[in-house]
Amino acid sequence: KNQVEQSPQSLIILEGKNCTLQCNYTVSPFSNLRWYKQDTGRGPVSLTIMTFSENTKSNGRYTATLDADTKQSSLHITASQLSDSASYICVVSDRGSTLGRLYFGRGTQLTVWP
Amino acid sequence: EADIYQTPRYLVIGTGKKITLECSQTMGHDKMYWYQQDPGMELHLIHYSYGVNSTEKGDLSSESTVSRIRTEHFPLTLESARPSHTSQYLCASSEPTTGRHEAFFGQGTRLTVV
Repeated sequence: KNQVEQSPQSLIILEGKNCTLQCNYTVSPFSNLRWYKQDTGRGPVSLTIMTFSENTKSNGRYTATLDADTKQSSLHITASQLSDSASYICVVSDRGSTLGRLYFGRGTQLTVWP
Repeated sequence: EADIYQTPRYLVIGTGKKITLECSQTMGHDKMYWYQQDPGMELHLIHYSYGVNSTEKGDLSSESTVSRIRTEHFPLTLESARPSHTSQYLCASSEPTTGRHEAFFGQGTRLTVV
């Protein structure tokens, strides 16, 4: 069964600190993996997208890594800001259909305290 | 910034009423999706479309229906709203080229049925 598991479920850090969010998946055949940021009550916004051949991708203070062999990804946030408080969702796409089906994790709820 | 719009953002409606949630995108994307998301939970695909006159049901059973008469428009309709339909509904569209399937999300419609 294609699944995406994220950890931790929630995380609280102080402003300025770094943190790392984890994503494990069993989706096959794998097409790509993206990390989205979802603010409360809003739609997800894409942070990074990585294909099979990419093992790291940065977007400002966000750095995503991908190990396609172990089917693991991480999202590292450096020098956190209050505006980073949001849900971070790992989404894996398969290439077994023309739709490119998306499989969503439940997200990690990050809270940044001043 | 993605050009995909949902209206209304919030809707409170009585049981038994018919409602239509609007979704429009100006990016020329063929593929469009509707997701349902309860608080703190993952997104569940309820409908998708490959293009004009193409609609399919998603993974999560839903009493809603969709139509795709124009490429840019993908409305979702509930003929008779019930409290169990209370949720957030997210519309998305993805790039027409195969491979990356970058998905862009609307801001969502928060539906409350009383």
